[in-house]
Amino acid sequence: QKEVEQDPGPLSVPEGAIVSLNCTYSNSAFQYFMWYRQYSRKGPELLMYTYSSGNKEDGRFTAQVDKSSKYISLFIRDSQPSDSATYLCAMTFNAGNNRKLIWGLGTSLAVNP
Amino acid sequence: DAGVIQSPRHEVTEMGQEVTLRCKPISGHNSLFWYRQTMMRGLELLIYFNNNVPIDDSGMPEDRFSAKMPNASFSTLKIQPSEPRDSAVYFCASRSGTGATEAFFGQGTRLTVV
Repeated sequence: QKEVEQDPGPLSVPEGAIVSLNCTYSNSAFQYFMWYRQYSRKGPELLMYTYSSGNKEDGRFTAQVDKSSKYISLFIRDSQPSDSATYLCAMTFNAGNNRKLIWGLGTSLAVNP
Repeated sequence: DAGVIQSPRHEVTEMGQEVTLRCKPISGHNSLFWYRQTMMRGLELLIYFNNNVPIDDSGMPEDRFSAKMPNASFSTLKIQPSEPRDSAVYFCASRSGTGATEAFFGQGTRLTVV
């Protein structure tokens, strides 16, 4: 079993839909959770970052962490065609300089106009 | 700042040839990461450097892979000899000091070994 599981999709939604992207993980020691967005033929870029449990909101994006269930989510409200990309979750144990990110495989999202 | 710069963007080579991928991190960043991305395995960390020193190379698949960081502004990843299963997109990323969260990725090098 991989440490981080993420459904690769693809996920296709109409413009304006609410999108829910999810990852599950097996190691309860993970404390820092990130969502990266990767456009086609580009490198990943950090979208959201959350420490421990709870929610974090940034514009149309909300990141949610449920440590009891070992489950993290990214919600996109009022999705736009420009949101079409692959979304990767990543997580790690600590914020020190020697930390190593553990990555999901990524979920491919297409938002259709 | 131009961000993390990788070269070449694309590389097609024959099996057995040596391949060198190059990376210039963002100025002032002291951590540098080399990743490999494939459809099947996703993003895999190959090696990372802190202050030009290799900290963890446990992700380097075999002795055919080697990485160097001779100074704070340049790193190379070399594959010798290359094999078709090395075909992937290779990313370099850099991050600033202790406690920093975000790693900034380059555009990647798409390597095809035929």
